[in-house]
Amino acid sequence: DAMVIQNPRYQVTQFGKPVTLSCSQTLNHNVMYWYQQKSSQAPKLLFHYYDKDFNNEADTPDNFQSRRPNTSFCFLDIRSPGLGDAAMYLCATSAGTSGGHEQYFGPGTRLTVT
Amino acid sequence: DAKTTQPNSMESNEEEPVHLPCNHSTISGTDYIHWYRQLPSQGPEYVIHGLTSNVNNRMASLAIAEDRKSSTLILHRATLRDAAVYYCILSMDSNYQLIWGAGTKLIIKP
Repeated sequence: DAMVIQNPRYQVTQFGKPVTLSCSQTLNHNVMYWYQQKSSQAPKLLFHYYDKDFNNEADTPDNFQSRRPNTSFCFLDIRSPGLGDAAMYLCATSAGTSGGHEQYFGPGTRLTVT
Repeated sequence: DAKTTQPNSMESNEEEPVHLPCNHSTISGTDYIHWYRQLPSQGPEYVIHGLTSNVNNRMASLAIAEDRKSSTLILHRATLRDAAVYYCILSMDSNYQLIWGAGTKLIIKP
């Protein structure tokens, strides 16, 4: 049974047209993460929530925003997608943030910008 | 931040053991060693993690050097479904971040 669900799996948007990606989890984990993964690269952390506390990575562009309305759901908003934002976007969860906690990843949403 | 170094790719025969090495010479005393794998077109999947002692689970074994500057992920009997990119990752006990290596692409030959 899927524990971290991402919708849609594939998203096509136009240059500059806002897009929202969604993630839901059935694990009741406190922490939710958003990663960006480009071809043949390791995932890059964009931001994370610990409960409702939002934590932005220093090098995450302002173009990327996130919302977490409740424990189960988290959204990634890209306000004005550029061609360089085409990538796989991965959502992950964990029960805590210390080093011993594993992260559970969703299948990802592949974003294409035309 | 401590970093990990892995071979770009490795090949192995089906039904044979696979040893995937990782160097992390700048690891600190509270860094955990994690391994995740990523199958094509899927999200990463947790494999195993450890701090100082060797660890076993249903998927794999993790052998950690005594000085903790290197580790080896052991798949005891590789199948075609184990073909993936394997990431060796460090995770500080006091920090949420996973410090990802570049990954090793494991190719399994039938």
